[in-house]
Amino acid sequence: EIVLTQSPGTLSLSPGERATLSCRASQSLTRSHLAWYQQKPGQAPRLLIYGVSSRATGIPDRFSGSGSGTDFTLTISRLEPEDFAVYYCHHSVSSPFTFGPGTKVDI
Amino acid sequence: EVQLVEFGGALVQPGGSQRLSCAASGFTFSSYWMSWVRQAPGKGLEWMANIKGDGSEEFYVDSVKGRFTVSRDNPYNRLYLQMNSLRAEDTAVYYCARISWSGANWYFDLWGRGTLVTVSS
Repeated sequence: EIVLTQSPGTLSLSPGERATLSCRASQSLTRSHLAWYQQKPGQAPRLLIYGVSSRATGIPDRFSGSGSGTDFTLTISRLEPEDFAVYYCHHSVSSPFTFGPGTKVDI
Repeated sequence: EVQLVEFGGALVQPGGSQRLSCAASGFTFSSYWMSWVRQAPGKGLEWMANIKGDGSEEFYVDSVKGRFTVSRDNPYNRLYLQMNSLRAEDTAVYYCARISWSGANWYFDLWGRGTLVTVSS
């Protein structure tokens, strides 16, 4: 089983600042099988990034994904008020298709 | 409108059963793999199960194998999750999600709003 760990657990920032979220896999993820999701309280998750670095439809370009192998990063270049949420990484390499524990970005 | 709507959440006694449904609309349901993902109160997301578009393949997380069964009714655009032998730790919001592909990568590109299952006596 591939285990995803995310750091930090909580990121306290202000609007306009840059957010860097980390996702580390317990083994190498082949063929870019990593996605990022955003979840706000009381809402369903929303796809942000797939294939490590491709933005989903309608996602602003302040969101970007990077990485390879076991280390991946979601960067929000300039935080907007609506970006304060929990962010999850997820792999699709092999079953079980696990999520990371999440990083909360708050003010 | 492209959407997924889950229903069937309820308060269930430990050891009991419940069936969740997910109604899909606005897209060709049978062309997509579908998934169930759950979230315990105050916790993170947990992938549960995937099912292929024609229903011929299924994958489950170990914690529900033998207890939960995912199925679909393509003519009616419905996804189901039959949950048996329910435990307190199955208490969660259950989301259905559509799977899309980009090359060899897949991801959840459409989510329902979820339905709450509470397992308690």
